[in-house]
Amino acid sequence: RKEVEQDPGPFNVPEGATVAFNCTYSNSASQSFFWYRQDCRKEPKLLMSVYSSGNEDGRFTAQLNRASQYISLLIRDSKLSDSATYLCVVTRGTGGGNKLTFGTGTQLKVEL
Amino acid sequence: EPEVTQTPSHQVTQMGQEVILRCVPISNHLYFYWYRQILGQKVEFLVSFYNNEISEKSEIFDDQFSVERPDGSNFTLKIRSTKLEDSAMYFCASHEGGAGETQYFGPGTRLLVL
Repeated sequence: RKEVEQDPGPFNVPEGATVAFNCTYSNSASQSFFWYRQDCRKEPKLLMSVYSSGNEDGRFTAQLNRASQYISLLIRDSKLSDSATYLCVVTRGTGGGNKLTFGTGTQLKVEL
Repeated sequence: EPEVTQTPSHQVTQMGQEVILRCVPISNHLYFYWYRQILGQKVEFLVSFYNNEISEKSEIFDDQFSVERPDGSNFTLKIRSTKLEDSAMYFCASHEGGAGETQYFGPGTRLLVL
């Protein structure tokens, strides 16, 4: 079983749509959870951390269900500029020294 | 805003040659990492480095790979004898340590082994 699993997509959505991405992780000892964004041939960039209580940053909402080992990302009012690959990322611990374990990413294409 | 830098941006080499990929982490960061991403695949952890020594390495990071922090600013990844399958994007990342969570990635070096 993969450590972090994501639907690769692509998700093709019209501008203004709401889109949701899901991710599952296999290591129940995982402590920290993130969504990164990666544009084509660029480096991953942190989009947001994910907390058990759920958290929101503008149009983006992330949720974590530790019991189900499930992470989600909701994007509301999609923009053309949201087109990218969204990477689900987990680590074993908090703070420094902990490697990031990446999913394969879900590709989003927002269209006019 | 401080950023991680990497050189070169692209490198083409012949199989069996040695390559050194260079990174300048963010200046007050304490933890350093190398990751790689083969075209079309996920980002994979190679090695982490703290206090002038390797703290963790993956199965990928075999004897052909080494890392070094030769001075107070640079962090290098050396591949001693490159193979075709080493062709990938190599990302350096750094982390400030403490309770901060974010690893900041450099723009990457695209390595092509012919």
